[in-house]
Amino acid sequence: GDSVTQMEGPVTLSEEAFLTINCTYTATGYPSLFWYVQYPGEGLQLLLKATKADDKGSNKGFEATYRKETTSFHLEKGSVQVSDSAVYFCALSDWDSNYQLIWGAGTKLIIKP
Amino acid sequence: KAGVTQTPRYLIKTRGQQVTLSCSPISGHRSVSWYQQTPGQGLQFLFEYFSETQRNKGNFPGRFSGRQFSNSRSEMNVSTLELGDSALYLCASSVGQNPSTDTQYFGPGTRLTVL
Repeated sequence: GDSVTQMEGPVTLSEEAFLTINCTYTATGYPSLFWYVQYPGEGLQLLLKATKADDKGSNKGFEATYRKETTSFHLEKGSVQVSDSAVYFCALSDWDSNYQLIWGAGTKLIIKP
Repeated sequence: KAGVTQTPRYLIKTRGQQVTLSCSPISGHRSVSWYQQTPGQGLQFLFEYFSETQRNKGNFPGRFSGRQFSNSRSEMNVSTLELGDSALYLCASSVGQNPSTDTQYFGPGTRLTVL
């Protein structure tokens, strides 16, 4: 079945550092890929998405490119801020999951001033 | 446009009791999905309702049930609560017409604690 693997956290960075959170997936079809963010004590917010190979999703300075050849959807940001501290979840949906979201374990990001 | 709302935000129950959680989707959205989030198991899909019908179901015991009303609001019920049911229960809504391209929007969750 479908699955999503994320790098383990926590990831600790200093403010203005470059961020990469790795995400790889296994899917039988052609999934849509998502990054969601969960701030402390809150629900999940969609950060960005991509629905086909080579698509780039972007939002709030974050970017991720759908790489079919490497089955990856790594999240990047050029300069992180303290306010980016949160848990980041990579997820996919496709016909094999009846289009319900299959989630990675989440990566906790801590940004120090 | 108002977001997804969930009530109550926090609940404390004891083992053996039952509980009902409520979710109001974004206006115009007809699909509501429920997820359980725990530190050990992460995020797991419970079920999805579309136009008052259960369209998808995850691998949870029959103690977990749900329904959807004609206004798309949804409720989730857990009977005979167990300690392991302590979790954050998240509701998500989407337009629902084209699942292959739909985006799910999440509410803040209901934190259930079972003592």
